[in-house]
Amino acid sequence: AQKITQTQPGMFVQEKEAVTLDCTYDTSDPSYGLFWYKQPSSGEMIFLIYQGSYDQQNATEGRYSLNFQKARKSANLVISASQLGDSAMYFCAMREGRGTGFQKLVFGTGTRLLVSP
Amino acid sequence: EAEVAQSPRYKITEKSQAVAFWCDPISGHATLYWYRQILGQGPELLVQFQDESVVDDSQLPKDRFSAERLKGVDSTLKIQPAELGDSAMYLCASSLFGRPPPGELFFGEGSRLTVL
Repeated sequence: AQKITQTQPGMFVQEKEAVTLDCTYDTSDPSYGLFWYKQPSSGEMIFLIYQGSYDQQNATEGRYSLNFQKARKSANLVISASQLGDSAMYFCAMREGRGTGFQKLVFGTGTRLLVSP
Repeated sequence: EAEVAQSPRYKITEKSQAVAFWCDPISGHATLYWYRQILGQGPELLVQFQDESVVDDSQLPKDRFSAERLKGVDSTLKIQPAELGDSAMYLCASSLFGRPPPGELFFGEGSRLTVL
């Protein structure tokens, strides 16, 4: 069964507008972590934001925020005030368990974001 | 610039040839991962090391792929013989237990393989 689902293969947004990238997940573990990574055309995966399953508040990092709805098992990434440099692939990923050092990240299929002037 | 070093960045090889990728993780990171990313898809874990020991290689095609991390520092991923379906980006990542957020991976720039 797919553990991370990203249903939007591509998204378009105009510069300075906000955009939401969807992510749903599936786990029976009460302790887990959700990550968003950005992958520009260079190939490197860049960490953006993290949400722990026990975190009471939605995570924020600058222009990035994570809309965490635990009951719906969704962890959508919101990018405010989009910039041309935000054009890239975005991946949602999940870590199951408390992060003992043996955990791995499971990734979704990604969403390609294109920001237009 | 990525602190996880990978080489080569690009490799073109013919079917049935051998190919090897090298990764040097961030200093002090005990856990090292090799992921494969087929074009248009998300990364999939091939093998995970804790120091020099393999902790997960359940998705590694062991008939043609091998990985080692002999001294618990740098690592080599080998494919022999390469097949057309092996064309992909091979990403190396490392992590440090205890550094928040738990489970964050630090990635290299990847090695892009094209098999002709």
